[in-house]
Amino acid sequence: SQQGEEDPQALSIQEGENATMNCSYKTSINNLQWYRQNSGRGLVHLILIRSNEREKHSGRLRVTLDTSKKSSSLLITASRAADTASYFCATSGGSYIPTFGRGTSLIVHP
Amino acid sequence: GAVVSQHPSRVICKSGTSVKIECRSLDFQATTMFWYRQFPKKSLMLMATSNEGSKATYEQGVEKDKFLINHASLTLSTLTVTSAHPEDSSFYICSARRPGGPTDTQYFGPGTRLTVL
Repeated sequence: SQQGEEDPQALSIQEGENATMNCSYKTSINNLQWYRQNSGRGLVHLILIRSNEREKHSGRLRVTLDTSKKSSSLLITASRAADTASYFCATSGGSYIPTFGRGTSLIVHP
Repeated sequence: GAVVSQHPSRVICKSGTSVKIECRSLDFQATTMFWYRQFPKKSLMLMATSNEGSKATYEQGVEKDKFLINHASLTLSTLTVTSAHPEDSSFYICSARRPGGPTDTQYFGPGTRLTVL
């Protein structure tokens, strides 16, 4: 299975702090994506990083990928209360169908 | 960005009845759509791949007679939960792959919360 596993399962921080979430997977991938889900809502695509890339940025988001360790991290800098959500990593192989991990629940306290 | 809608957003039904959930791509034609199921505080589990004009491809362990998928047009896929039972209660999410766009980008619908009494 290419399912990613996020770590930690839950993260509680204060507004303004940085939040780091990690994702590990088991088999080789073509890409890894990070998604955000607010409670009871659909998924919002955040960033896609391909297997030949090591780092990508988008606004306050920074994603790294280490294919030798089969791991990725998502860093949210200067967090805001509105960043409170669940964050999922999803890996894709040859079929390009994402396989999701269990997610990290992030709570940012104002 | 591309928009995918789902209807209804929330449905409550009695045990034994069937429920149909629609997934529409609003501003593009999707030859391939996907149906996921999500339990509380759990990951999204891929149920099936819906291909326009052909039979859906179901993941292992998903009963195709229980979860009927129809992708009759390039903008609409439907998931029908037949003879629903309380254990079918879940959050169902569809996604659509946009032709001509990056192969690895999917657009997700907002989800449908199914509660079976």
